[in-house]
Amino acid sequence: NAGVTQTPKFQVLKTGQSMTLQCAQDMNHEYMSWYRQDPGMGLRLIHYSVGAGITDQGEVPNGYNVSRSTTEDFPLRLLSAAPSQTSVYFCASSYSGQVVNTEAFFGQGTRLTVV
Amino acid sequence: AQSVTQLDSQVPVFEEAPVELRCNYSSSVSVYLFWYVQYPNQGLQLLLKYLSGSTLVKGINGFEAEFNKSQTSFHLRKPSVHISDTAEYFCAVTSSGNTGKLIFGQGTTLQVKP
Repeated sequence: NAGVTQTPKFQVLKTGQSMTLQCAQDMNHEYMSWYRQDPGMGLRLIHYSVGAGITDQGEVPNGYNVSRSTTEDFPLRLLSAAPSQTSVYFCASSYSGQVVNTEAFFGQGTRLTVV
Repeated sequence: AQSVTQLDSQVPVFEEAPVELRCNYSSSVSVYLFWYVQYPNQGLQLLLKYLSGSTLVKGINGFEAEFNKSQTSFHLRKPSVHISDTAEYFCAVTSSGNTGKLIFGQGTTLQVKP
C-alpha cells in the first residue's frame, strides 16, 4: 500500500518557468490538499479538494492552480515560478467518513528551489 | 478564524528527561486537534488526535496530550525522551471535521541531548 506519493522529490526551476507537482493516493480518500512548509511558519494550506471535480482555495493560493479529475490524483501547477515559491510542498489525503477515522496522511514532500 | 500557536520554537532536553511541547488554539466552535511529528527530510506522521470524549489522549512512541477546553490548549507530553525523539513537532486544528483544511502551528523543534 503506497499511501500518498509525490513526484518529483526535488526540483530546481528558473524564474518564470512553469511546472506541475504530482500527487497520487491509493486509499480512496475524498479529501486531498496541498501545503507549503517554510521555516518558522509551519505548514500553510494552498488548495484543497473534497472530491473529484471540486476544489477550493486555502490560505496561500496565489501563483498556484489545481484540478481534480479523478479521486486518486491532485496535481499542483505553478504557473510562472517566482523565488518566493521556493519551499517544501506536501500533499495530504484523508477520509471523509466516520469521525473515528479522521486523520490526514502526508506524502514525503517535494523540495522546490526557484532561482 | 482559527489559529494555532506553538509557544516554543525550540525545546532542548536531555535524554530520559520529561518534556512538554505547548500548543494553544483559538476557535469559536468545537475542534478536532492533532499532533504530527516530522523527522528530518521526511513527511508528517500522526502522533495522536483528539476528536471527542476523554481529554487525555495517548499516541504512538509514548506520547500523550491533554485537551483543555477552558484554556484552549492541547499540550504534548512524554515522561522520558530518547535521542530518537529529536524531530519537529506540529500541532494542528480543524473545526469543520474536514481534515483537508488543517491549520498548523509554527512547529517546535525538540532537540534531545545525550
